[in-house]
Amino acid sequence: ETGVTQSPTHLIKTRGQQVTLRCSSQSGHNTVSWYQQALGQGPQFIFQYYREEENGRGNFPPRFSGLQFPNYSSELNVNALELDDSALYLCASSQGQGARETQYFGPGTRLLVL
Amino acid sequence: AQTVTQSQPEMSVQEAETVTLSCTYDTSESDYYLFWYKQPPSRQMILVIRQEAYKQQNATENRFSVNFQKAAKSFSLKISDSQLGDAAMYFCAYRQTLQGAQKLVFGQGTRLTINP
Repeated sequence: ETGVTQSPTHLIKTRGQQVTLRCSSQSGHNTVSWYQQALGQGPQFIFQYYREEENGRGNFPPRFSGLQFPNYSSELNVNALELDDSALYLCASSQGQGARETQYFGPGTRLLVL
Repeated sequence: AQTVTQSQPEMSVQEAETVTLSCTYDTSESDYYLFWYKQPPSRQMILVIRQEAYKQQNATENRFSVNFQKAAKSFSLKISDSQLGDAAMYFCAYRQTLQGAQKLVFGQGTRLTINP
């Protein structure tokens, strides 16, 4: 176990709806990253938050947004859901921004968009 | 842009034997980090081993070791004395700095089956 938790474990939404996924970081970690993993693929980087600020973003549209709270827990929000948003969403926490820091992953939230 | 390629979609090995998973990557950087993650059916991505590019010595963690060939941009994972619990998807990953963020670039994964 990594100490990173995510909720909910599974979620079903319909196209056009909005969804919020939650992540609780490992104790002492102030950096959280979100990844999208489509079925049969490797994870793709969505964005990263460090001390409540977004400091890097992958090739995802603005309808993917996030928040990091003072206790370093985090949310991923997706608006106007599309069928292709169906995937496993993983969050990963790390202790700081240094290149030596290892990212520890949560168990993921499986999102299905109908 | 950095890319990571795992050319073996599936591998299988007999329990107690040794298996090697392949990974190649493309980068113009000289200092970087490489990782192998394991993802069992429970979905949680678990760190297996990491390698710092400036270190010539190959990393080892118990039954897991890597063969890091920097010039060839190759980073293979060797699992010795395979156990049933090793069955999982294995992902090779490269850490890239993007706008100040440390992002992981993953390969497509290799599904490892352990035959009893």
